[in-house]
Amino acid sequence: QVQLQESGPGLVKPSETLSLTCTVSGGSISDYYWSWVRQPPGKELEWIGYVHYTGNTNFNPSLRSRVSLSVDTSWNRFSLKLRSVTAADTAVYYCARAARGAIYYFHLWGQGTLVTVSS
Amino acid sequence: DIVLTQSPDSLAVSLGERATINCKSSQTILYSPNNRNSLAWYQQKPGQPPKLLFYWTSIRESGVPERFSGSGSGTDFTLTISSLQAEDVAVYYCQHYYTTPLFGGGTRLEI
Repeated sequence: QVQLQESGPGLVKPSETLSLTCTVSGGSISDYYWSWVRQPPGKELEWIGYVHYTGNTNFNPSLRSRVSLSVDTSWNRFSLKLRSVTAADTAVYYCARAARGAIYYFHLWGQGTLVTVSS
Repeated sequence: DIVLTQSPDSLAVSLGERATINCKSSQTILYSPNNRNSLAWYQQKPGQPPKLLFYWTSIRESGVPERFSGSGSGTDFTLTISSLQAEDVAVYYCQHYYTTPLFGGGTRLEI
C-alpha cells in the first residue's frame, strides 16, 4: 500500500525558506504527478504545484515566484521549497498523488505537517 | 480566475436524511476532449487529509459508499448524501481542475 509522509521543520522564521520533503513508500514515484497542497488553519485548501517524476513542474501562479519543486527518483521522494515566507504561509502542508492518468485531482494524501512561520 | 462558491457554509442534517451540498463555478469548467466537467469532491474529517470522493463530477472513487453521489452541469454542481450516517460528519470541498486547480470554501456537515 502506497503511503506518503511529509517531513521538515515545523517552525520557520519570516523571510526564510520553508523546505519540506515527501517520501513515498510502498510504491514507485514513477508514472505519477505529485503535488503539494496547503491549508491555513481553519481555511480552505490551496494547490501549490506539482512535480512529475520526469522533473516537469507547474505552479500556482500566486506562488510561482517563490516556489521550487524537485524530485529524487533514487530516494523515491520529492521536495518543496518556498522562499521569503511570511505569517500568511503558516499552514498544514500536504503532499498528494494524482490519480493514474490524471494531474490535478488527488486520490492519495500524506497526513500533513503543520508549518508555522514565526520569529 | 475560476472561482468556486459552495453553499451552504454549514449544514445540519438528521441521521438517515438527505444532505445536499452545492458548488457553483464562476464560468464553465467543461473539458471538451471528454465532454466532462473538471470537478472533484473531497471529504475532510478533523485532523485528517482530504479524501477524494468524486472526479469528473460524478465518477465515484473506489471505496466511496453508494449513498454518496455527484452531479451537475454547466456551472452548478451538487454532492448528495442520500441517507446521512454518523461517519459522514466532515467538511466537504469541491475542486475544479479546468485551469489552475482551486478548491471551494468548504461546507461543514453536522448532525
